Amino acid sequence: EAGVAQSPRYKIIEKRQSVAFWCNPISGHATLYWYQQILGQGPKLLIQFQNNGVVDDSQLPKDRFSAERLKGVDSTLKIQPAKLEDSAVYLCASSQRGNYNEQFFGPGTRLTVL
Amino acid sequence: SQQGEEDPQALSIQEGENATMNCSYKTSINNLQWYRQNSGRGLVHLILIRSNEREKHSGRLRVTLDTSKKSSSLLITASRAADTASYFCATDAMDSNYQLIWGAGTKLIIKP
Repeated sequence: EAGVAQSPRYKIIEKRQSVAFWCNPISGHATLYWYQQILGQGPKLLIQFQNNGVVDDSQLPKDRFSAERLKGVDSTLKIQPAKLEDSAVYLCASSQRGNYNEQFFGPGTRLTVL
Repeated sequence: SQQGEEDPQALSIQEGENATMNCSYKTSINNLQWYRQNSGRGLVHLILIRSNEREKHSGRLRVTLDTSKKSSSLLITASRAADTASYFCATDAMDSNYQLIWGAGTKLIIKP
């Protein structure tokens, strides 16, 4: 079974630039999550999708972050414009509804904002 | 917001020794999960314990859950160098919309 795919793995940008991350979840997983993980901390949920609908985006900084999940499969997360404090690892995870919410994670994208 | 708090923040032991990590949480839960994160394999699910369970085993892992104290522990027996990683507890709170709430993790270092 293929795992959660993410790209790119690394990205370095300057502040005020824009960046986009892509995620392909495990086939058949209806729920998709984007997390932000700052060094030394646990993952912080940014947005949760159920199929192509948003379940929770209460912690997404909507003035600069946006996410979509077209057709209920792939998802993209965008930051525009980036700030220094956005430097973090962005993790995508997916889960199969009804499976006690075990989440499967991609390798993450390490973003450095200079 | 983070519900879980792992203790200790960091732990360094000799290979072959046992490692114990603790997690405390604040609200009633459906289940509690432990994950491992290292640079090679990212975040990986280790074990899930449901709120009506008190103890669970998986290989060298033993997890306990005390819902009256809102706490859990993860024991890794006969530690190996490959166990060097950060360990996170994540709680699936009741009415959580299938969200997990994460602690800050315990950094475990196994010395050869």
